Amino acid sequence: KQEVTQIPAALSVPEGENLVLNCSFTDSAIYNLQWFRQDPGKGLTSLLLIQSSQREQTSGRLNASLDKSSGRSTLYIAASQPGDSATYLCAVRLYSGAGSYQLTFGKGTKLSVIP
Amino acid sequence: DTGVSQDPRHKITKRGQNVTFRCDPISEHNRLYWYRQTLGQGPEFLTYFQNEAQLEKSRLLSDRFSAERPKGSFSTLEIQRTEQGDSAMYLCASSLAPARMNTGELFFGEGSRLTVL
Repeated sequence: KQEVTQIPAALSVPEGENLVLNCSFTDSAIYNLQWFRQDPGKGLTSLLLIQSSQREQTSGRLNASLDKSSGRSTLYIAASQPGDSATYLCAVRLYSGAGSYQLTFGKGTKLSVIP
Repeated sequence: DTGVSQDPRHKITKRGQNVTFRCDPISEHNRLYWYRQTLGQGPEFLTYFQNEAQLEKSRLLSDRFSAERPKGSFSTLEIQRTEQGDSAMYLCASSLAPARMNTGELFFGEGSRLTVL
């Protein structure tokens, strides 16, 4: 069974800092990995999706990397802003077999950017 | 296109009552998913449709839960005889089926928060 772990569970940084969020997964036979943002009481907003054949994806100040063989992904946020404060969730989809149609989520990292 | 929409956004009910949530996916998406999220946890998969066919169900989906997607468009999730443990955010997502030119990226709605008293 795929398990996804996100470290740290919470992170507080001053505005302007660059930061890295970590995600690890136990089954490396993944189809893709998706990073989401969730504001309190809201739904999930997709930030970046990395296919299993890719090593990284970039969108604005966000960069996500994938090392499938070691079961790890990182989300890098450059020049953090108070508006980046949210919970960031990592989710993986298996390549095939039972559960391959679903995403398995980590518990998220709650980020607070202090002005 | 306005994205995935869910209704109602909030529902408070007494234990034992039935509740129904509705999800309208992005119009061209043939896949629709239901997830449940409790406080401090990541979303957990409940069930998934491809067009009108329900293809996968989690063991979390007890007999009191039923989901439908008539005509392959909107979907409903009904919970019968609600229990306090059903209190959670119910999230709907939609996607295209993964293919050569399509990643199968999931897009989520704002969720329907259920409180069972």
